[in-house]
Amino acid sequence: QLQLQESGPGLVKPSETLSLTCTVSGGSISSSSYYWGWIRQPPGKGLEWIGSIYYSGSTYYNPSLKSRVTISVDTSKNQFSLKLSSVTAADTAVYYCARQADLQYAPFDLWGRGTLVTVSS
Amino acid sequence: SYELTQPLSVSVALGQTARITCGGNNIGSKNVHWYQQKPGQAPVLVIYRDSNRPSGIPERFSGSNSGNTATLTISRAQAGDEADYYCQVWDSSTAWVFGGGTKLTVL
Repeated sequence: QLQLQESGPGLVKPSETLSLTCTVSGGSISSSSYYWGWIRQPPGKGLEWIGSIYYSGSTYYNPSLKSRVTISVDTSKNQFSLKLSSVTAADTAVYYCARQADLQYAPFDLWGRGTLVTVSS
Repeated sequence: SYELTQPLSVSVALGQTARITCGGNNIGSKNVHWYQQKPGQAPVLVIYRDSNRPSGIPERFSGSNSGNTATLTISRAQAGDEADYYCQVWDSSTAWVFGGGTKLTVL
């Protein structure tokens, strides 16, 4: 069955760029009209949507993070990626990738296990 | 920006009914999704579009949405239902919004 797996550095220095990749296995990222999203959760806190990308490449970002976020998709590798620039300690969180069938009406029905990224010098 | 308000915690006696609310301006006009998150795990969808259960979610989980409040109801609460629960909606100006989460304790 379809699975999502986040990967990337667990430690990023302040002011640098956080880069994560989500690998989709068990199916093609472009075989169905799905959206692929990133959600984060600071330690002990709630969930925050970062942004989503359609398999064709159209992107949608949280307005509060939009100036620092870039999400891209690589269908040849069955992956989509997150870049968050100019990070601070406030960006320390578990980052999840997830799937949704529709941008506005569908929930995130399949999630990766998450990866902890710590911002520290 | 659109905001969702959830109680920080809800307690329920074993076997009784727990109700977790999610408040928002005219939330009844939006589609509400609910997630369960246990410690150290990713969220799991338990209710989508107000009152629909995904495959594999027990019938004990149900949802409703009207006016300014959406409610997740867990009947015959079990120890395994202890978790954090989050509501989520799409708002045209804020995009995806999550509630702050409610910690459910089963006594």
